[in-house]
Formats: sequence, structure tokens, C-alpha cells
Amino acid sequence: SQQGEEDPQALSIQEGENATMNCSYKTSINNLQWYRQNSGRGLVHLILIRSNEREKHSGRLRVTLDTSKKSSSLLITASRAADTASYFCATDAWSSGNTGKLIFGQGTTLQVKP
Amino acid sequence: EAGVTQFPSHSVIEKGQTVTLRCDPISGHDNLYWYRRVMGKEIKFLLHFVKESKQDESGMPNNRFLAERTGGTYSTLKVQPAELEDSGVYFCASSPFGGARETQYFGPGTRLLVL
Repeated sequence: SQQGEEDPQALSIQEGENATMNCSYKTSINNLQWYRQNSGRGLVHLILIRSNEREKHSGRLRVTLDTSKKSSSLLITASRAADTASYFCATDAWSSGNTGKLIFGQGTTLQVKP
Repeated sequence: EAGVTQFPSHSVIEKGQTVTLRCDPISGHDNLYWYRRVMGKEIKFLLHFVKESKQDESGMPNNRFLAERTGGTYSTLKVQPAELEDSGVYFCASSPFGGARETQYFGPGTRLLVL
């Protein structure tokens, strides 16, 4: 079964607004990572948050992790048109052993209108 | 520092043909991963190398897929013979030694279309 599920599947906002994307997962994790994919391009790593962390910031990005609810959120503040992309959460589950393989959600497609 | 590179960026082949994808990880990264995304589905793990050794190949769909990493540097993923359902984007990622639980850096992907 799918480890990561993201909500919403699609989000459209105006430039300057904040965008929040949520990710839920099923099993215990070592860490959770957020990636961005611009249309037709590769995956760009945004943030890694470990299971013992609750919140991390990077520039306009804020990630929270609630292991009791098995969920994470990605907040992009003061969005820009260049933030238009698909965003994926990926979990490194304890059940994966030492391989570190990531299990991805379906992604949220964000459109930021100028 | 150069990132993860993949070649080719696109490949269009006919069913039954063979295709070989190549991944060059970030220099010095011992961990190398292959993932793929087929149309409309999520990105899925294929396998994991530590240097030249396969640590986990639980995601390989069937024996038409063969991955190698001779010398522990670049890796190849061969699909032989290719089927229609193999179409998708194949991503490679790498992370440093001891970093199997750290950030994975992804390449741009190879877009494979099997006709």
C-alpha cells in the first residue's frame, strides 16, 4: 500500500499568498523529505526532517512533522510564480532496513498565478 | 560540484528492443538508487547500490530489468526486451557513504517511451 498520500492533489493560488501541502504516511519513519519537480525536470530536494524533529525552516519553506498523527505539512510563504511545480513528500521507513529507500506520495501540483 | 547526471534524457524505442540507461552519481557518493515513475502513478523505488553491491533490489519489476554498477562509480539499467508498460521516467539518486538515511540527490531523469 502507498506510504505517502498528499493533500490536496492540486492547488492554485495567487502570487504572494501562502501555500500549504499535507502528507500522510502509514508506518514509522526515520525521516521525511520534500522534493519539488518543475515540469519535465528532475526532482529538487527541499528539506529533510528527522523523526525526532517537529519543525524545520529553509527560506520561505516551513515543514512540520507530527509522528503521532503520521503527517507532515509543507508551507510556502509569499509564493511566487516560480514556485509553480509538483511537490512530493517521501518517507524513509523503518521497515526498509538500512537501505534508505524512499517511498513517495502522488504529489501536489501547485500553480501560482502572477 | 556536478550533480547526478543521467543519459539519455529521452529514449523512444519499439516494443521488444533493448534500452540501456546510465546514471553518474555525485562523485564520492557510495549510495546509488534507481526509481521510476510510470504514467499517472507515484515514483517507485527500484533498487539500491552501495558501491558496486546491490543492497536492495526488491523494487525491480521483473527479470527484464538488469542493473549494474561496475567499479562502484556509474550505474546502468538495462531493459531487455522492453514492453509498453515500461514507459515512464527513470530517476537515479545518490547519497554519501554512511548516508543511506540522508538526503538523496536526484538526477533529471530519463524519459522512456516504448511504442
